[in-house]
Amino acid sequence: IAGITQAPTSQILAAGRRMTLRCTQDMRHNAMYWYRQDLGLGLRLIHYSNTAGTTGKGEVPDGYSVSRANTDDFPLTLASAVPSQTSVYFCASSDSGGAIPYNEQFFGPGTRLTVL
Amino acid sequence: LAKTTQPISMDSYEGQEVNITCSHNNIATNDYITWYQQFPSQGPRFIIQGYKTKVTNEVASLFIPADRKSSTLSLPRVSLSDTAVYYCLVGEGNYQLIWGAGTKLIIKP
Repeated sequence: IAGITQAPTSQILAAGRRMTLRCTQDMRHNAMYWYRQDLGLGLRLIHYSNTAGTTGKGEVPDGYSVSRANTDDFPLTLASAVPSQTSVYFCASSDSGGAIPYNEQFFGPGTRLTVL
Repeated sequence: LAKTTQPISMDSYEGQEVNITCSHNNIATNDYITWYQQFPSQGPRFIIQGYKTKVTNEVASLFIPADRKSSTLSLPRVSLSDTAVYYCLVGEGNYQLIWGAGTKLIIKP
């Protein structure tokens, strides 16, 4: 049972390059999320998807895009990376999204991205 | 969007009960209170969720007073492995959650 997998584990990227962070879940959860966590801070929501085919913007969406072609995969793309996007990126999923009460989120192991 | 305030850090000793209090003065009627635990280099892990009064599961208890303006996470008989960052979250749904810096809990032998 894998839960949520993320790839790559870490990456060093030159500024201006395009990068896609991969996220796959095998729990058949409807909702998926991308967060970034900067040193010593809490998580900030980048984008979310409450079901396949739909996505929404979170707190810090600028510079990032997502797609949700199917239930299992939710890739995050940085079209042209900048140093301020250096962070740890976590993907998460939950059985439901905005429904009350909202279900617990299950997190992947994270991707550590450094943009130089 | 309800914001939370919790201590930046706390420390305790093995075998003690630890209580972490979170303040959320502008909590809305539909907001639930959720706590997550995060170990270094790992994603957060759900601990407990509640709306009012008291909730208990196999790892923690959550106490919520009648006015719901605060909540207390109680960890019974902590061990060294409970050293982690604990986040208090308040929101109506997962898309509205604001993650603060959390409380860094250090358990000493």
